[in-house]
Amino acid sequence: EAAVTQSPRSKVAVTGGKVTLSCHQTNNHDYMYWYRQDTGHGLRLIHYSYVADSTEKGDIPDGYKASRPSQENFSLILELASLSQTAVYFCASSDGGSQNTLYFGAGTRLSVL
Amino acid sequence: GDSVTQTEGQVTVSESKSLIINCTYSTTSIAYPNLFWYVRYPGEGLQLLLKVITAGQKGSSRGFEATYNKETTSFHLQKASVQESDSAVYYCALGPYGGSGNKLIFGTGTLLSVKP
Repeated sequence: EAAVTQSPRSKVAVTGGKVTLSCHQTNNHDYMYWYRQDTGHGLRLIHYSYVADSTEKGDIPDGYKASRPSQENFSLILELASLSQTAVYFCASSDGGSQNTLYFGAGTRLSVL
Repeated sequence: GDSVTQTEGQVTVSESKSLIINCTYSTTSIAYPNLFWYVRYPGEGLQLLLKVITAGQKGSSRGFEATYNKETTSFHLQKASVQESDSAVYYCALGPYGGSGNKLIFGTGTLLSVKP
């Protein structure tokens, strides 16, 4: 069965600190995505990738970097965490076709204090 | 721009009663939008509930139905008789946008609580 695993499941970080969220998929999918969700907002796309060693900016990339060292792994990096980055983060994978399903991880709840 | 609107943040329904969760969409950039409902059960990731890629068609899964109405730009989710196990957050989504990659625009989600 398709699987996307995120770690950690929750994290408390200090303002100005560095945070790395990790995502691993066993779906053999080319595309991987990072979304964030805040109260009152739908999921918003931060970064995505369609091949290893390459990443693309999504709709809200400011303050975030992404890394895709292999097909299976996709990380989201907050170099200088800020209060406004408190949110739930979801990773997803997909074949990339317009009708293909996105498979999501269970999410990471990040609190920046 | 493109957007998806879910007007209800939370809905509470008694078990065996009917359900409707509203979803409307707006798009200026997607010529032939696909519409989706995703569901997130407690402690799990979002998973696809149903999708419809052709206007006028109906999708169904696990007793849920949604019809792609291009005239009213709506894609409401309905179920005739809900169960306690249907308690979850439901997200309406529209896509793809922005070229390749199957990128989707999501609504804010509707939390469904089913009372026993």
